[in-house]
Amino acid sequence: EIVMTQSPDTLSVSPGERATLSCRASQSVGSNLAWYQQKPGQAPRLLIYDTSTRATGIPARFSGSGSGTEFTLTISSLQSGDFAVYYCQQYKNWPLTFGQGTKVEIK
Amino acid sequence: EVQLVDSGGGLVQPGGSLRLSCAASGFTFSSYSMNWVRQAPGKGLEWVSFISGTSSTIYYADSVKGRFTISRDNAKNSLYLQMNSLRAEDTAVYYCARDGGNSGVNFDYWGQGTLVTVSS
Repeated sequence: EIVMTQSPDTLSVSPGERATLSCRASQSVGSNLAWYQQKPGQAPRLLIYDTSTRATGIPARFSGSGSGTEFTLTISSLQSGDFAVYYCQQYKNWPLTFGQGTKVEIK
Repeated sequence: EVQLVDSGGGLVQPGGSLRLSCAASGFTFSSYSMNWVRQAPGKGLEWVSFISGTSSTIYYADSVKGRFTISRDNAKNSLYLQMNSLRAEDTAVYYCARDGGNSGVNFDYWGQGTLVTVSS
């Protein structure tokens, strides 16, 4: 099983600032990496797939990069609606696995 | 508009059974693989099971293999999860999620979730 590890667990950021979230895989997943946003009481929402492709309707301030075992989600200028928990997910191998999540909170 | 509506959750005793349903609309259901993903209270996301559009390919997480059965009825645009021999650690919100059909299995649309509580 591929273990996904996200860092940090919590990120405190002021509105308008940049947020950088990391995701590490225990073995290479190529570019088969997705990012999700989840707000309290809601289902997750797909942000990024194939490492860097934004899903439909996702604003350009969200960007993804990386390959192999190291990946990054960058939110260029945080808005109030961006404070949430973010998960990475690999789909290179079965079973599909998620990271433990990074909570982005208001500083 | 793509919609997934989860139902069937509730309180069940350890060792009991429950059947979850997911009603799909707004897309050609038979053309998409589907999944169940769960989230224990206050915890992260855990993939549970996958089924291809024709039901020819099915996968399970080791944690549920032999106890849960995924199925679908393309004529009814519905996805199911039969859960048997339930344990306390199966307590979670269960989401159905559509496979986006990109280069691999990721989840582009999700249901609202249905809560399963396993407790005596």
